[in-house]
Amino acid sequence: DAGVIQSPRHEVTEMGQEVTLRCKPISGHDYLFWYRQTMMRGLELLIYFNNNVPIDDSGMPEDRFSAKMPNASFSTLKIQPSEPRDSAVYFCASSFAGTSGGYTQYFGPGTRLTVL
Amino acid sequence: QKEVEQDPGPLSVPEGAIVSLNCTYSNSAFQYFMWYRQYSRKGPELLMYTYSSGNKEDGRFTAQVDKSSKYISLFIRDSQPSDSATYLCAMSPDGSSNTGKLIFGQGTTLQVKP
Repeated sequence: DAGVIQSPRHEVTEMGQEVTLRCKPISGHDYLFWYRQTMMRGLELLIYFNNNVPIDDSGMPEDRFSAKMPNASFSTLKIQPSEPRDSAVYFCASSFAGTSGGYTQYFGPGTRLTVL
Repeated sequence: QKEVEQDPGPLSVPEGAIVSLNCTYSNSAFQYFMWYRQYSRKGPELLMYTYSSGNKEDGRFTAQVDKSSKYISLFIRDSQPSDSATYLCAMSPDGSSNTGKLIFGQGTTLQVKP
């Protein structure tokens, strides 16, 4: 398996622009997670899905952030409008409840977002 | 108080040293305990996981869980410069209490100097 795939790997945009981050989870996994990582705040969980249904979005910072999972193999995280404080590395991770290891999560390579 | 506490370091050791990384937690329902390793500019990758108490060994790495003290450790023997990374602990409950979400520590940054 190719692992979790994220695109783009790097994104530089100007304040006010819309940003869309994409994720393809590992085939067969039924959980998908979106995280944000900064030096100051570490790894923060933004939202997660189970079987394409959002379970907990309490980590989404504001209404400017939205996430969708239209099918089992694709998810998006959208920021509109973007602000400089959104600059961070955004990770997508997936897991499968049926394996051992307590729903061990597998991370993608991340999208490094810079908002100017 | 956070559910999982981890000293962010940084921790700097000479090559060949034994490294001890630790996390404490407050939720007695946690049964699965994991260690992730994150190299600079990469995503976290699973290093080891253990279930309930006890030790688990994998090469130079040993994961230890002490549920009575709510304390987990990762030991690295004969540390190498290639071990330089951030190490994050993570944990979750078992059974019906498991929502699929992992609770992560803040991560400890380790530097192994040649």
